[in-house]
Amino acid sequence: NAGVTQTPKFRILKIGQSMTLQCTQDMNHNYMYWYRQDPGMGLKLIYYSVGAGITDKGEVPNGYNVSRSTTEDFPLRLELAAPSQTSVYFCASREGVAAKNIQYFGAGTRLSVL
Amino acid sequence: SQELEQSPQSLIVQEGKNLTINCTSSKTLYGLYWYKQKYGEGLIFLMMLQKGGEEKSHEKITAKLDEKKQQSSLHITASQPSHAGIYLCGADSYGQNFVFGPGTRLSVLP
Repeated sequence: NAGVTQTPKFRILKIGQSMTLQCTQDMNHNYMYWYRQDPGMGLKLIYYSVGAGITDKGEVPNGYNVSRSTTEDFPLRLELAAPSQTSVYFCASREGVAAKNIQYFGAGTRLSVL
Repeated sequence: SQELEQSPQSLIVQEGKNLTINCTSSKTLYGLYWYKQKYGEGLIFLMMLQKGGEEKSHEKITAKLDEKKQQSSLHITASQPSHAGIYLCGADSYGQNFVFGPGTRLSVLP
């Protein structure tokens, strides 16, 4: 069972470079999320999507972009990477927002911007 | 906006000891989720509580949601090294979608 798959697992970027973090889920979930986790901190929501073609900002969206062209994929784009974007990024999905719709998480992408 | 606080921030216990982690919300909770994160890995769902006074157990872990639905506790009985990790509480939050607490880092010494 694949669940939520994130690629790459690790990446080092130079300041000003751009990259796309990939996230795929095979559970046919409508809702997908991108979080970042800074050292010693909880997860902060970057963007989320309630279905293909629909995305919305979370708590910390600046410096990121997302798209949702299919139910399965929810890539996160970093433009002009900055050291402040050094973090661990997690993608998650859930069927809906009703009670008991738990979120399933990917293994994370560890990003360093130098 | 809704905020979740967790206490303690970190915890070191001897194997076999019991421990409790608390999660306090600034607003009424309508669904409280507990997750565990092993160091360097993703989050694993533990339990979800919805009703005031609700209590759920899985193996040696018990979670409760208080009657006023603004606080939850996670209790581990007879801790083992396999319990080590970061425990996070999370909740659906109107207008913010989903929020997480800062996490409690647990170490269990053999």
